[in-house]
Amino acid sequence: KQEVTQIPAALSVPEGENLVLNCSFTDSAIYNLQWFRQDPGKGLTSLLLIQSSQREQTSGRLNASLDKSSGRSTLYIAASQPGDSATYLCAVRPSAYNTDKLIFGTGTRLQVFP
Amino acid sequence: DAGVIQSPRHEVTEMGQEVTLRCKPISGHNSLFWYRQTMMRGLELLIYFNNNVPIDDSGMPEDRFSAKMPNASFSTLKIQPSEPRDSAVYFCASSLDRGNYGYTFGSGTRLTVV
Repeated sequence: KQEVTQIPAALSVPEGENLVLNCSFTDSAIYNLQWFRQDPGKGLTSLLLIQSSQREQTSGRLNASLDKSSGRSTLYIAASQPGDSATYLCAVRPSAYNTDKLIFGTGTRLQVFP
Repeated sequence: DAGVIQSPRHEVTEMGQEVTLRCKPISGHNSLFWYRQTMMRGLELLIYFNNNVPIDDSGMPEDRFSAKMPNASFSTLKIQPSEPRDSAVYFCASSLDRGNYGYTFGSGTRLTVV
């Protein structure tokens, strides 16, 4: 059974810091991994999608890496800003289990203060 | 594209009433997913469709829940009768080619059953 864990559960940092959010999954048989952002009371916004054959993806100040063999992904946020405050979720699409559903982690709640 | 569109955004209903949630996926996407989010359990998949056909409904809590996808541009999730424990945020998501290009989520419907 695929399980996804995110560490830390919560993080509070001053503006300007570089951050690393961690995501681990128990089964390396995945098609892809996707990072989402969720603002309070809002929906999920896709940030980055990494296919199983890729090592990393970048978008602006965000960089996500994937090490499928060790079951890990990291989301790196450079020069954090108060507007980055949100909950960050990672989700994997398993290639085993004959399913198309995403398996979500429990999220990291990030607060960036001025 | 307007993204995945869900309605209503908020629904407050009395216990025992029927509730219908609606979703319009992104045009051209052929997979549609219904998720439920609660503080206690996080994001849980309820059911998903490929090409309008239900594929996996193992996450549907009980017979009070039903979902339909009569055509490629519309899906409903119905709860009858509703109970207070059904209170949650319900998300609809769609994808192309079974999620190979990632998933797009709607803004969600916040359901409160009193």
